[in-house]
Amino acid sequence: EPEVTQTPSHQVTQMGQEVILRCVPISNHLYFYWYRQILGQKVEFLVSFYNNEISEKSEIFDDQFSVERPDGSNFTLKIRSTKLEDSAMYFCASSVGLSPGVEGAFFGQGTRLTVV
Amino acid sequence: ILNVEQSPQSLHVQEGDSTNFTCSFPSSNFYALHWYRWETAKSPEALFVMTLNGDEKKKGRISATLNTKEGYSYLYIKGSQPEDSATYLCAFSTGTASKLTFGTGTRLQVTL
Repeated sequence: EPEVTQTPSHQVTQMGQEVILRCVPISNHLYFYWYRQILGQKVEFLVSFYNNEISEKSEIFDDQFSVERPDGSNFTLKIRSTKLEDSAMYFCASSVGLSPGVEGAFFGQGTRLTVV
Repeated sequence: ILNVEQSPQSLHVQEGDSTNFTCSFPSSNFYALHWYRWETAKSPEALFVMTLNGDEKKKGRISATLNTKEGYSYLYIKGSQPEDSATYLCAFSTGTASKLTFGTGTRLQVTL
């Protein structure tokens, strides 16, 4: 069964460092997303990406964040200068999007980011 | 601001018990209501996506109903098993490929 894969599963970084979280979405999907969950809080939307550009972003997704689809398979989230409050589980998701049915989004296992 | 609420926050039942959880969501700009099952260290797994008022969906011992007019959905588990232990998340969307707005989740623990 096709799945969304994320690497690494855990990342520890020092405050102020740049991190890149990587995702391989399901191959025939057209929409890509990043979500995050800070411990004890709701899963919250960061950004959606379609046709090689951001289609929607939340208030959280400020200038410190960027996304890229550098080739036909990978989808990355970069945090330029990490802060302690960026510590969270980051989820990548993808969806077909244009299907007349409603499939919803498929999620990866997440990357646990710890900023120290 | 879209607010999705789930209750209870956590639930502890015995094997064989039936249980249900509630998800409430805004009734305006509704497109779909999603239920996910999330086990620790695994990907959240889609259980159901429902769009129509009165929708009922079933997958084995798990079923869900949808009331879009009053803005709630119920998830039912019949005859709970230890492998049902997980966090159950509901999420609301306003379009086919729009973002999901999640509730806080209901954490279910089923013991022998």
